[in-house]
Amino acid sequence: GAVVSQHPSWVICKSGTSVKIECRSLDFQATTMFWYRQFPKQSLMLMATSNEGSKATYEQGVEKDKFLINHASLTLSTLTVTSAHPEDSSFYICSGAGAYNEQFFGPGTRLTVL
Amino acid sequence: ILNVEQSPQSLHVQEGDSTNFTCSFPSSNFYALHWYRWETAKSPEALFVMTLNGDEKKKGRISATLNTKEGYSYLYIKGSQPEDSATYLCAPYTGNQFYFGTGTSLTVIP
Repeated sequence: GAVVSQHPSWVICKSGTSVKIECRSLDFQATTMFWYRQFPKQSLMLMATSNEGSKATYEQGVEKDKFLINHASLTLSTLTVTSAHPEDSSFYICSGAGAYNEQFFGPGTRLTVL
Repeated sequence: ILNVEQSPQSLHVQEGDSTNFTCSFPSSNFYALHWYRWETAKSPEALFVMTLNGDEKKKGRISATLNTKEGYSYLYIKGSQPEDSATYLCAPYTGNQFYFGTGTSLTVIP
């Protein structure tokens, strides 16, 4: 199957700082990538759909100015959590879409904001 | 937002037992149903993509069925092995978006 990497795996930061998470498709080109967030004991919730070369589409309730998404190439999408606060602590995971819309997921990033 | 329910939430079985779990979803706006296996510290891995009512897919000891009219899918594991221990997620796809269930956490005891 297709491989997606995500970096970093873990990040701990102080409140008010910005954190960038990278999502790379290693062996396929992903014109569309998705960013999900998962809070403890909850399901994966789609935050935004990232399209190469265009602006991301954000889901209702997700602040676009807080969660900056850049999809500058067919293999890289980045999510920047700006001015992170403790309530942003969560598990963030990206995926690239396959030919049958199956999702190829990265391993996720655990963000803890102190 | 689609309400996707998976049951049971967690399951412990002995090695060699067969098991099954359920994914329930609204039957309207249905396009496809995806099953994923998510092992700890790894990426979720696609198991099946199912689209037609009555679909049945099989991969080794794991199989799944789909009923789009009543809005449910079953995942079966025959002769569970410790390496089957994982969280199994279902995700109906509306054509626009995936909606994930909270998953069934399976632990196979050697």
